[in-house]
Amino acid sequence: GIQVEQSPPDLILQEGANSTLRCNFSDSVNNLQWFHQNPWGQLINLFYIPSGTKQNGRLSATTVATERYSLLYISSSQTTDSGVYFCAALGNTPLVFGKGTRLSVIA
Amino acid sequence: GAGVSQSPSNKVTEKGKDVELRCDPISGHTALYWYRQSLGQGLEFLIYFQGNSAPDKSGLPSDRFSAERTGGSVSTLTIQRTQQEDSAVYLCASTRGPDRAQYFGPGTRLLVL
Repeated sequence: GIQVEQSPPDLILQEGANSTLRCNFSDSVNNLQWFHQNPWGQLINLFYIPSGTKQNGRLSATTVATERYSLLYISSSQTTDSGVYFCAALGNTPLVFGKGTRLSVIA
Repeated sequence: GAGVSQSPSNKVTEKGKDVELRCDPISGHTALYWYRQSLGQGLEFLIYFQGNSAPDKSGLPSDRFSAERTGGSVSTLTIQRTQQEDSAVYLCASTRGPDRAQYFGPGTRLLVL
């Protein structure tokens, strides 16, 4: 099945800084999603992005399906951005999650 | 409803007891997934329902785990003879189809003493 790797595993940012989170996947995918898991454990959809680029406020994502990676950009980070960011990919098997990037934004 | 709901929010049980966890998907979503997340870990797929097709049970860790989906809507995940290693957050997600965006419920936090 598909393997999903995320980097970096941990990231500490000063409030206002920008960051890029990376997701590599081992095979072609039909679905690629980014989620934010807040400190209360709720998984919040950020992007459904099997290919191309999407933007939502301070967040944007790009998936290059032919090269099997996706990037999540966070600009002007805020303390409320803290939490774990998961990438998940769907090929011919149910959604496979990476281990996540734990982001801490400090004031 | 507006989102995926799960009940109970928290469940504490004694080793050896059976537990039932419930998931109400978003209305109109034909596909439903169960996942498990152990402390500090990523999500582990358990089982997948799509319409009236036979469920994909390939992620269930043992025969103590089972799930059903009645009427194509509500799903129940049952864990028999719970063990301490079953302690985790159990998450349910629904989607309009297998290649569509998944939407997650708040999860049930299970603690087996």
